[in-house]
Amino acid sequence: QKEVEQNSGPLSVPEGAIASLNCTYSDRGSQSFFWYRQYSGKSPELIMFIYSNGDKEDGRFTAQLNKASQYVSLLIRDSQPSDSATYLCAVNRFSGGYNKLIFGAGTRLAVHP
Amino acid sequence: DTAVSQTPKYLVTQMGNDKSIKCEQNLGHDTMYWYKQDSKKFLKIMFSYNNKELIINETVPNRFSPKSPDKAHLNLHINSLELGDSAVYFCASSQDKTAIDNSPLHFGNGTRLTVT
Repeated sequence: QKEVEQNSGPLSVPEGAIASLNCTYSDRGSQSFFWYRQYSGKSPELIMFIYSNGDKEDGRFTAQLNKASQYVSLLIRDSQPSDSATYLCAVNRFSGGYNKLIFGAGTRLAVHP
Repeated sequence: DTAVSQTPKYLVTQMGNDKSIKCEQNLGHDTMYWYKQDSKKFLKIMFSYNNKELIINETVPNRFSPKSPDKAHLNLHINSLELGDSAVYFCASSQDKTAIDNSPLHFGNGTRLTVT
């Protein structure tokens, strides 16, 4: 079992719809969770992080965390073609005094006009 | 002003060669990383340095040797390159090795290594 699992997609949604991206993780001790966006041929960039159960909203993005179910999701409201990218879920493992981000393989999102 | 810069952007070489990738950050961060992203987009940590000290060394062949001459630079040297080394290598930095919640990773633009 991979430490961080995501559906590779592609997830195809029409413009203006809500895109829902999901991620599960295996380490129950994980405390911090991140969503990165990566456009084709570019480097990953941080969208949001969350560490408390529940929802965290930032503009059109909402991260949701359920530690009991070991589940993190990212909702993108009013999806735009410019949101088309690969979304990487990452989980922090803090051990020995340092952080290590473990990434999932990413979900490719395609928003079509 | 580029925050994390890597050179070269593309690297094409033959099996058995030795090559280096350089990384510099001007963010004043203490911690730097090397990540490898394979063809399936899986991004995996290889090494991390904090103030020139190696703190993370994942299960990476010892053909890969990182070097940090100062906290703003982290280079990656690869000996005896193999076909399986073909990937995109990302350098990244963060302010603090302990407070990653408030110190997200800043990635460089990546180096696409192709071994033929």
